[in-house]
Amino acid sequence: DAKTTQPPSMDCAEGRAANLPCNHSTISGNEYVYWYRQIHSQGPQYIIHGLKNNETNEMASLIITEDRKSSTLILPHATLRDTAVYYCIVRVATNYGQNFVFGPGTRLSALP
Amino acid sequence: EAGVAQSPRYKIIEKRQSVAFWCNPISGHATLYWYQQILGQGPKLLIQFQNNGVVDDSQLPKDRFSAERLKGVDSTLKIQPAKLEDSAVYLCASSLGGGLYEQYFGPGTRLTVT
Repeated sequence: DAKTTQPPSMDCAEGRAANLPCNHSTISGNEYVYWYRQIHSQGPQYIIHGLKNNETNEMASLIITEDRKSSTLILPHATLRDTAVYYCIVRVATNYGQNFVFGPGTRLSALP
Repeated sequence: EAGVAQSPRYKIIEKRQSVAFWCNPISGHATLYWYQQILGQGPKLLIQFQNNGVVDDSQLPKDRFSAERLKGVDSTLKIQPAKLEDSAVYLCASSLGGGLYEQYFGPGTRLTVT
């Protein structure tokens, strides 16, 4: 699976949009981009995933560049509850034997 | 819908002792994962089950770690004997299947080896 690069930490003001970048320059054509987050002392929580089109759900939006070498997770109105480590992962969507690799992620701090 | 259950939540043991962790996945989820998360790092996959069969255990230290998923539901992860470097949070996750299905994680078991 392709590797990802994320900034180690970011701050955002409560009520403002949080834009978390991820570089995946070696991504293959059949690899999806996934985002998970991990709030302190909890297990990771799925946020969103996409292949090449932009995606939106009730939690966030995922913007993938046309060359697919980078993406941005957007939390439209950050709250203190969004303070967490955010992981960007790329992987092939097959059923078996695919290693789901988490990097160190980005620690997002939503500030009042 | 009940989430993934894990027990115990915390465990402290001495090195060379053995320890076991238990996981009950979400009902109907065929795929079960065990991850190890060392402080300050992202989770690392140890083993993946599809029903009661192992589909990926390439990163499981098989000389001391073992896992089973009898009857394709609950799973146990065992460490014997434990080393200091095994201190970590052990996370269990489940999904409807492999591939694109999102993984649901339990709260984890925090293991401290002294």
